[in-house]
Amino acid sequence: SSELTQDPAVSVALGQTVRITCQGDSLRSYYASWYQQKPGQAPVLVIYGKNNRPSGIPDRFSGSSSGNTASLTITGAQAEDEADYYCNSRDSSGNHLGVFGGGTKLTVL
Amino acid sequence: QLQLQESGPGLVKPSETLSLTCTVSGGSISSSSYYWGWIRQPPGKGLEWIGSIYYSGSTYYNPSLKSRVTISVDTSKNQFSLKLSSVTAADTAVYYCARHTPEMTYDPWGQGTLVTVSS
Repeated sequence: SSELTQDPAVSVALGQTVRITCQGDSLRSYYASWYQQKPGQAPVLVIYGKNNRPSGIPDRFSGSSSGNTASLTITGAQAEDEADYYCNSRDSSGNHLGVFGGGTKLTVL
Repeated sequence: QLQLQESGPGLVKPSETLSLTCTVSGGSISSSSYYWGWIRQPPGKGLEWIGSIYYSGSTYYNPSLKSRVTISVDTSKNQFSLKLSSVTAADTAVYYCARHTPEMTYDPWGQGTLVTVSS
């Protein structure tokens, strides 16, 4: 099965812009979805498809993709955005399997 | 509003079978647009995809767990279930159930349930 690679940790100053990336062969064929997970809570979907936000997700969250890399951008990061972020997609095998990235711990300074 | 809730034993002995059920409320598990999946997260670690099922019974498993995993669905009860056999301490994790699209977008998620493998 495919793998998705994320940087383990990223930091951003309050109010600044941060990009979290996810790399993998499957992303050449499928869009990534992005999830935010705060301690002790279940993951929450924040971005899916080309650049879609579920209802209730602030518009400071956006997504993009190029080649084998998907990116989640937070424009004007807030203290409440400090969390773990995971990407996922379908496996590139075409066998309807799933794969998650290892996660990125975002610290808002 | 669709909600999912995991249930099952929080403690399983090594070599035994872990069994969990996910109850879906606020919507039908027989929807043709969605699949139903299990994901786990060992303490302090990342998310791992376990497998998925379609309401018709078609199943898809993580190759690394395939020999030990069985996912089933009961449309009459609006539930789907996970069985993981021959468990070890490495299977200790929070287990989540979730609905997903064919593109593997997971939403919503259950709250998760911690399963500890210990004698």
